[in-house]
Amino acid sequence: DAGVIQSPRHEVTEMGQEVTLRCKPISGHDYLFWYRQTMMRGLELLIYFNNNVPIDDSGMPEDRFSAKMPNASFSTLKIQPSEPRDSAVYFCASSFQQGLLTGELFFGEGSRLTVL
Amino acid sequence: AQKVTQAQTEISVVEKEDVTLDCVYETRDTTYYLFWYKQPPSGELVFLIRRNSFDEQNEISGRYSWNFQKSTSSFNFTITASQVVDSAVYFCALSGPYNTDKLIFGTGTRLQVFP
Repeated sequence: DAGVIQSPRHEVTEMGQEVTLRCKPISGHDYLFWYRQTMMRGLELLIYFNNNVPIDDSGMPEDRFSAKMPNASFSTLKIQPSEPRDSAVYFCASSFQQGLLTGELFFGEGSRLTVL
Repeated sequence: AQKVTQAQTEISVVEKEDVTLDCVYETRDTTYYLFWYKQPPSGELVFLIRRNSFDEQNEISGRYSWNFQKSTSSFNFTITASQVVDSAVYFCALSGPYNTDKLIFGTGTRLQVFP
């Protein structure tokens, strides 16, 4: 079975450029999460969707960040304009609802972003 | 507020040694879930275990075992007879009972197993 697929795996860009990270969740999963991992702050939840609807975006750092989920099989995280402090590994994860209970997350391999 | 503390930043052991990774959590929820994830050098996080707050039985899966103690708010992870392939960063995480609850991660413990 295919897991969560993220692209690109690595992105190097210059400050001020637009960055788009992509995610394909596991088929049948109705929750999708975007996390950011840095040495300083560890793993931070940026935003999550349920049935393609953004539920909690309180972790999005600022207006330069936006996320969309146009359908059940695709989501994007966009940074415009990018800044060096955005350099991090961005993970996408998906899960499925088990009644009302918290299910485990299935993570993609991450997109390593470097902003010069 | 919910919080997960993994006080051990890095642990180094030699193969075949047993090693315990500590996890202490804080929560006001009476029902909650605890998780362990492994992040190998390849980068992806791999789910290892989920426990709910009502089940304090220790769990064993092969060389892995988990000790959940509500009295000390701890959910420690032990690897018996460690192997080089166990080298990774291990994250403990906490969540409330519902899908709308955020998963709060600890800062991780980097385990290096030397041959």
